[in-house]
Amino acid sequence: EADIYQTPRYLVIGTGKKITLECSQTMGHDKMYWYQQDPGMELHLIHYSYGVNSTEKGDLSSESTVSRIRTEHFPLTLESARPSHTSQYLCASRQGGEKLFFGSGTQLSVL
Amino acid sequence: SQQGEEDPQALSIQEGENATMNCSYKTSINNLQWYRQNSGRGLVHLILIRSNEREKHSGRLRVTLDTSKKSSSLLITASRAADTASYFCAPDTSGSRLTFGEGTQLTVNP
Repeated sequence: EADIYQTPRYLVIGTGKKITLECSQTMGHDKMYWYQQDPGMELHLIHYSYGVNSTEKGDLSSESTVSRIRTEHFPLTLESARPSHTSQYLCASRQGGEKLFFGSGTQLSVL
Repeated sequence: SQQGEEDPQALSIQEGENATMNCSYKTSINNLQWYRQNSGRGLVHLILIRSNEREKHSGRLRVTLDTSKKSSSLLITASRAADTASYFCAPDTSGSRLTFGEGTQLTVNP
């Protein structure tokens, strides 16, 4: 029942390409997050946002960037994809200090 | 922010048995949240327990919180094969960053 959407679900791309992973939520949540997760491993927080025009880096050093121009939209961009970026990317949102709602994730493979 | 540390890393039980997973953290919290993840999917929220609560129930789930020991436990009673998943705890200190540990991989054998 979560109203948070990630596209694409799967992406296979060549090294050096610029990509944008989309994340949108229709719940009006103020906080949004991007996590990176390899299979069977922990989630790493890579970016988060408190609200419009507010973004912060997370705990994992990442070559990606994010923007939050609208409340509902929190895209993540890789300027030049590399094989080391191959992973699953999970977007989440919440209101205040309440529970997180997660999207279904984007599985990225960089060849 | 801080992340919780789940224990054990892996747990294998038979259907019908109870499963207990533990979470430890280091600093004061506003609340602690438990999530479940099926393979390859996003996480699903299970229970949020606030720092002034000691126990909370939801269906077959029971969560306890001991702030003096900085620990929490998740009990799943009468487990089913469909409970097979990874379970994560997330201590919430400020309502902003929320980070996760490696989780407990639960396998329920039919």
